[in-house]
Amino acid sequence: QVTLRESGPALVKPTQTLTLTCTFSGFSLSISGMCVTWIRQSPGKALEWLARIDWDGEEHYNIFLKSRLTISKDTSRNQVVLTMTNMDPDDTATYYCAQLVVPSYTFDYWGQGILVTVSS
Amino acid sequence: SSELTQNPAVSVTLGQTVTITCQGDRLRSYHASWYQQKPGQAPLLVIHAKTNRPSGIPDRFSGSTSGYTASLTITGAQAEDEADYYCVSRDSSGNHLFGGGTKLTVL
Repeated sequence: QVTLRESGPALVKPTQTLTLTCTFSGFSLSISGMCVTWIRQSPGKALEWLARIDWDGEEHYNIFLKSRLTISKDTSRNQVVLTMTNMDPDDTATYYCAQLVVPSYTFDYWGQGILVTVSS
Repeated sequence: SSELTQNPAVSVTLGQTVTITCQGDRLRSYHASWYQQKPGQAPLLVIHAKTNRPSGIPDRFSGSTSGYTASLTITGAQAEDEADYYCVSRDSSGNHLFGGGTKLTVL
């Protein structure tokens, strides 16, 4: 059974760096074709894809946010970490991590999401 | 356009058929998948690889693609289908893009 869970701060101040951790079970990121991705959703807004890390370590980023994002993985701990620098109130959103499998390229399993509020 | 465009809102009478569309250049090369999101919940995959339906998704949900347009059709919409629906596709660089979402109201 595949599960994912996001963890991190619920509140960050403007200009701070956000660090979110996705802890998953039911699959291994060391297996060919496995990927983990981050997606966010501002209140009342559409889903926005942020970043993806693949089983081979390849990283992919939203081109508009690339300069602020870093995604990494710890295969032994079944964790993926996303950092986002220079947080702004517009970054207030629910952040989801999700499993993606190549070659279907679909987000088959999602975490419950974590609401991050950016406010001083 | 590099965007994926969806109608913001669509309504359907209970039991009738509704089609939600998603338009974008990348759909000529890459399949769209569709997600259903109800308030306070994470999105749920309802259609993948253009037309395939994951296990557990009712067969009233179907997908198709023609040219630049992907479509999600609900045949015989039920009250529980009222939700936001998002299409998503990718590009050759491994980047993904969501459409703006369609709010479906079942009357």
